[in-house]
Amino acid sequence: SQTIHQWPATLVQPVGSPLSLECTVEGTSNPNLYWYRQAAGRGLQLLFYSVGIGQISSEVPQNLSASRPQDRQFILSSKKLLLSDSGFYLCAWSVHPLEDSYEQYFGPGTRLTVT
Amino acid sequence: AQTVTQSQPEMSVQEAETVTLSCTYDTSESDYYLFWYKQPPSRQMILVIRQEAYKQQNATENRFSVNFQKAAKSFSLKISDSQLGDAAMYFCAFGEGNFNKFYFGSGTKLNVKP
Repeated sequence: SQTIHQWPATLVQPVGSPLSLECTVEGTSNPNLYWYRQAAGRGLQLLFYSVGIGQISSEVPQNLSASRPQDRQFILSSKKLLLSDSGFYLCAWSVHPLEDSYEQYFGPGTRLTVT
Repeated sequence: AQTVTQSQPEMSVQEAETVTLSCTYDTSESDYYLFWYKQPPSRQMILVIRQEAYKQQNATENRFSVNFQKAAKSFSLKISDSQLGDAAMYFCAFGEGNFNKFYFGSGTKLNVKP
C-alpha cells in the first residue's frame, strides 16, 4: 500500500533562518506531488506541484521554493524565513489522472512557527 | 482560474440528524472531478466522497451523499445520521481537467451536538 511521510512534524524557526521540509511517498511511482499551506482556520493554498522529477510549477509568488530530486521525494525550502511563512504545510500526492482512483492523498503535515 | 466557494464557515447539527454542506465552483471546463475532504482536529485530510463530472448519478458513501448540479455548478454534501465523530472541518475541492491541480474551498466547520 502507499504511504506518504512528512518531516519534521513541528518546527520553530527564527525569522531569517533557512527552511527545508521533506516529503516522501512509498508504494507508487511517478506520482504528482503537491505542497499546500494552511493558515489557522483557513483553507488550503496550493503552493507548488510537480508532475515529474525536476518539474516544478509555482502557484503563488513567495519566499518559498520547491524541488523534486527523486521520483518520490518533494522538498519545500526557503533561504530566509518570514513571519508570514508560519502555518501548517501539507504534502500530497495523486495518481495519474486517467486512473479510476484519482484523488489526492495527504501527509500528516508540518506545523511551522516562525518567531 | 477555477474557484471553489463554501459559503458556510460553521454549522451545527444534532447527533443522529441530517446536515447539508454547500459548495459552488466556477470553471469553464467540462471534464473534472469534485471531492469532499474531512479534516478532524488531528489535521489529517481524509477523503469523504468523490464525484466525476461526466457522471450524472450522485455519489454515495454510506451516510454521505452528494447533490451534484452540473449546470448550476453546485456540489453539496449531505451527512445523514450525524455522529460525534463527524465533527471536523469539511473542504470541497475541484480537480481540473488535466488533473494536475486541485483547488480547495475555505472550509466549513461542522459541530455535532450530543
